[in-house]
Amino acid sequence: EIVMTQSPATLSVSAGERATLSCRASQTVAYNLAWYQQKPGQAPRLLIYDASARATGIPARFSGSGSGTEFTLTISSLQSEDVAVYYCQQYNNWPPVTFGQGTKVEIK
Amino acid sequence: QVQLVQSGAEVKKPGSSVKVSCKASGDTFNKYTISWVRQAPGQGLEWMGRIIPSLDIANYAQKFQGRVTITADKSTSTAYMEIISLRSEDTAIYYCGRDGPHTAIWVDPWGQGTLVTVSS
Repeated sequence: EIVMTQSPATLSVSAGERATLSCRASQTVAYNLAWYQQKPGQAPRLLIYDASARATGIPARFSGSGSGTEFTLTISSLQSEDVAVYYCQQYNNWPPVTFGQGTKVEIK
Repeated sequence: QVQLVQSGAEVKKPGSSVKVSCKASGDTFNKYTISWVRQAPGQGLEWMGRIIPSLDIANYAQKFQGRVTITADKSTSTAYMEIISLRSEDTAIYYCGRDGPHTAIWVDPWGQGTLVTVSS
């Protein structure tokens, strides 16, 4: 089973500043990585798939990069509505599909 | 676009079973696959398995093999997830979601979630 490790656990960023979230896989997942946003009391929402492709309707301030074992989600200018928990997920080697433990993003 | 509507919250006794439904609309049910993901209170996301409705084939995470059954009814565009021998650790929100194309198991969109509480 591929283990996904996210860092940091909590990220505090001022509104309008850049937020950078990291995700590391225990073995290569090529480009088969997705990012999700989950706000309190809501279902997750797909942001990025195939490591860097934005899902339908996702604002351009969200971008994904990386390949192999190291991935990054960048929010270029943090907005108040971006406060949420963000999860990475690999689908290169499954079952099982595996998720990271999440990064909580808050406004400083 | 696809919309997924799940059944309502359930309260179950330990040792019993529960079956959660996920009704799809807005696209041809046979064109995609459905995954099930759960989230225990205050915890992260855990993938349980998925169903290919057109083939009636399901894949499971080994952790759930033998205790979870995922099925689909093409006539009603509904997927189901059943867990037997429930224990307190199964208390969670259970989500269904449409997978990406072919073997790309990224999930979009998600159902609204179904809270299953296991308590004596």
